[in-house]
Amino acid sequence: GQQLNQSPQSMFIQEGEDVSMNCTSSSIFNTWLWYKQDPGEGPVLLIALYKAGELTSNGRLTAQFGITRKDSFLNISASIPSDVGIYFCAANTGNQFYFGTGTSLTVIP
Amino acid sequence: DVKVTQSSRYLVKRTGEKVFLECVQDMDHENMFWYRQDPGLGLRLIYFSYDVKMKEKGDIPEGYSVSREKKERFSLILESASTNQTSMYLCASSFPGWSSGNTIYFGEGSWLTVV
Repeated sequence: GQQLNQSPQSMFIQEGEDVSMNCTSSSIFNTWLWYKQDPGEGPVLLIALYKAGELTSNGRLTAQFGITRKDSFLNISASIPSDVGIYFCAANTGNQFYFGTGTSLTVIP
Repeated sequence: DVKVTQSSRYLVKRTGEKVFLECVQDMDHENMFWYRQDPGLGLRLIYFSYDVKMKEKGDIPEGYSVSREKKERFSLILESASTNQTSMYLCASSFPGWSSGNTIYFGEGSWLTVV
């Protein structure tokens, strides 16, 4: 199945730094979603975006639905140790969802 | 609160055993999915169902079957488990594709080890 292009693959940052990751595709989507997955757990929804150009925040997290409907980014401001985990994007069209391969985030105290 | 519940979090099975993974959602979602997650390979769709008793093959259906007798319940069956089916299995659910603002919700995952 189609995968979304997610970058970077991994990030090592100091506590307090800001983080940015993005997903791109050659296809147009109706919905972009961002999830966090802790080791051994299922993915948890962070932010859902339903409209091209939409910018949505959830605490220190901000995500945007690209105007072309082919991309999305997620920013985390002022990172803290509990932000550690794998973040991945998902996009939807019709009955199917497509997923990025994930960004592994390590926060160094 | 949205809830997708997978009945078994950790299982260890022997090669050749029949394995059932159960999933229940409480959101009245029409669509339910089973994915497999392996390091470096991301999420791969095994099967999905868009209605009771309906099923569609995903990207990697070989060695698996599914059952959906009730709207809220979707089961994944490994007819004869093999070591290459050792993996994390994720159940998920969503509203139909034609609904606006569609979101997919995941269960906690089931870790299966086949020895």
